[in-house]
Amino acid sequence: GESVGLHLPTLSVQEGDNSIINCAYSNSASDYFIWYKQESGKGPQFIIDIRSNMDKRQGQRVTVLLNKTVKHLSLQIAATQPGDSAVYFCAESTGGYQKVTFGTGTKLQVIP
Amino acid sequence: ETGVTQSPTHLIKTRGQQVTLRCSSQSGHNTVSWYQQALGQGPQFIFQYYREEENGRGNFPPRFSGLQFPNYSSELNVNALELDDSALYLCASSPRGQGIDSPLHFGNGTRLTVT
Repeated sequence: GESVGLHLPTLSVQEGDNSIINCAYSNSASDYFIWYKQESGKGPQFIIDIRSNMDKRQGQRVTVLLNKTVKHLSLQIAATQPGDSAVYFCAESTGGYQKVTFGTGTKLQVIP
Repeated sequence: ETGVTQSPTHLIKTRGQQVTLRCSSQSGHNTVSWYQQALGQGPQFIFQYYREEENGRGNFPPRFSGLQFPNYSSELNVNALELDDSALYLCASSPRGQGIDSPLHFGNGTRLTVT
């Protein structure tokens, strides 16, 4: 199938290493942040979220860090696996009707 | 639990035609949002439906319209198709009413090609 990752910034990591994907958001009023993973030919899949009253949240093998001062979000993936290869989007939302604004995406390539 | 399903998966239309895309929301979800994703870009918000009414709209012209039905399923209609409408159209559902902090759950989209 065709790639969703055309012309996107690409991060290449060795299998087993940790990955860090960064995202800058623009709206200081955003209070809810989400990371999505999108594989070719599929819709975005929820990975982890964080509210603006937190600065760190951990899931299984993933950690999201939020720095509101500089409007920066990062996703850390521990022990990266080939199945982690995909395009990763950060997304932000303000209160109300849940309009979610997506970033441009980062393509993660895992080298076996 | 049934996830978000969209139909058809692929569609080819001619410029000027009209198209209807369909979405069934995830079980227990009452809100449906539609997104357009051009190749190599992030999804762009089209609009959201809640209680069968449009509840928020992105920067899309009126020829993009939608419906939500009592069973929370939804349709996206696009009139007078243009070549730039070629994209992946994503439907997402969420359980509004349980707080705003609930992530969208996406279907796999409909790939629309306008020739």
